[in-house]
Amino acid sequence: DGGITQSPKYLFRKEGQNVTLSCEQNLNHDAMYWYRQDPGQGLRLIYYSQIVNDFQKGDIAEGYSVSREKKESFPLTVTSAQKNPTAFYLCASSKLAGAVNEQFFGPGTRLTVL
Amino acid sequence: AQSVAQPEDQVNVAEGNPLTVKCTYSVSGNPYLFWYVQYPNRGLQFLLKYITGDNLVKGSYGFEAEFNKSQTSFHLKKPSALVSDSALYFCAVRDMDGNNRLAFGKGNQVVVIP
Repeated sequence: DGGITQSPKYLFRKEGQNVTLSCEQNLNHDAMYWYRQDPGQGLRLIYYSQIVNDFQKGDIAEGYSVSREKKESFPLTVTSAQKNPTAFYLCASSKLAGAVNEQFFGPGTRLTVL
Repeated sequence: AQSVAQPEDQVNVAEGNPLTVKCTYSVSGNPYLFWYVQYPNRGLQFLLKYITGDNLVKGSYGFEAEFNKSQTSFHLKKPSALVSDSALYFCAVRDMDGNNRLAFGKGNQVVVIP
């Protein structure tokens, strides 16, 4: 988990509320990613960004939004439009240039909708 | 689209016995393959990757993986399992479009029995 921090570790939300999950990296990586993990379904990509002020939808972007104003930061907002937001959210980062690069993951945020 | 399959939900092995976690892939072109491990309520940790060259890839914590092109497999192995190897293991394949996106399998729960 070194180099990538996520906060908070646990988050509780009432239905109808937007919440923002924080992700910060000090690895000087160009690319950052957000995944959602549900039991038995592996990881599914929500959004990713390869450069500041640019990002792309992943496989399950509906109900989520992101921003990339700084290279180090990639916050994820879970909006009230996300119908089933209770899940474990993982942020990752990677280099882009050069060889095939692995992604490094943060410790995750567990979101529960009450 | 690239994909991986992990056919077993759970692998049980006695401590000291060999451990194998299976993964098969489907790609167009040459595959870039990864293995990650996840401990409870933690982020994913990178174990190893295959890019090209030697079919036997050595990684962290005594793990290795064998790339088999004819069987489209990339099985993770460890000669002698430890109780501390009990965790969730994910196989992943990188997209071919250069954006470093990964497609993950559903994961295998490994239980090492003392």
